[in-house]
Amino acid sequence: SQKIEQNSEALNIQEGKTATLTCNYTNYSPAYLQWYRQDPGRGPVFLLLIRENEKEKRKERLKVTFDTTLKQSLFHITASQPADSATYLCALVSAGNMLTFGGGTRLMVKP
Amino acid sequence: DTGVSQDPRHKITKRGQNVTFRCDPISEHNRLYWYRQTLGQGPEFLTYFQNEAQLEKSRLLSDRFSAERPKGSFSTLEIQRTEQGDSAMYLCASSDWAGGTDTQYFGPGTRLTVL
Repeated sequence: SQKIEQNSEALNIQEGKTATLTCNYTNYSPAYLQWYRQDPGRGPVFLLLIRENEKEKRKERLKVTFDTTLKQSLFHITASQPADSATYLCALVSAGNMLTFGGGTRLMVKP
Repeated sequence: DTGVSQDPRHKITKRGQNVTFRCDPISEHNRLYWYRQTLGQGPEFLTYFQNEAQLEKSRLLSDRFSAERPKGSFSTLEIQRTEQGDSAMYLCASSDWAGGTDTQYFGPGTRLTVL
């Protein structure tokens, strides 16, 4: 069956460190993958998109990698700040541009 | 504010009642999506429209659920004979799709509680 797995346990890191979140998938052949941020009680906010033929994408302190052989995407936040604390969702895009989301990983950055 | 808006933000209803939610997408966006999200889970796709045409519906969308986008602008999602299992956050998203990749912009959601 198709699965998108993100670590359901919260990730706690110290301010200034790099946070790395993992998204693994099985039985998908996504054309591209997206990462979203979601704060409590709010809708997801788009962060980055990476295509299947791209290895890495960067935007300011954010970096995403996409390994279609390992069926894995990694999401990095460098020089993390308490304001980065949120839930981060990965989403695969299949036919029809329908997003299929993972369960999300909650990130807590402590000052 | 020119983002996606949803109304109401919160809805409490009794089991068996009908509820209707409204979504206003970003102006000129041709695609509109509905998702449902329960606590601790990611959003689950329900249905989407391209302009006024409903192009895909998830198997999650039982016959008690119906969605419309009559003029290709705002959309409504109706749930008939609500059940406690319908309690969730209902999210709407819109995009300006022109082929290729599709970036979706989400609204704040409508939180439904069925008592």
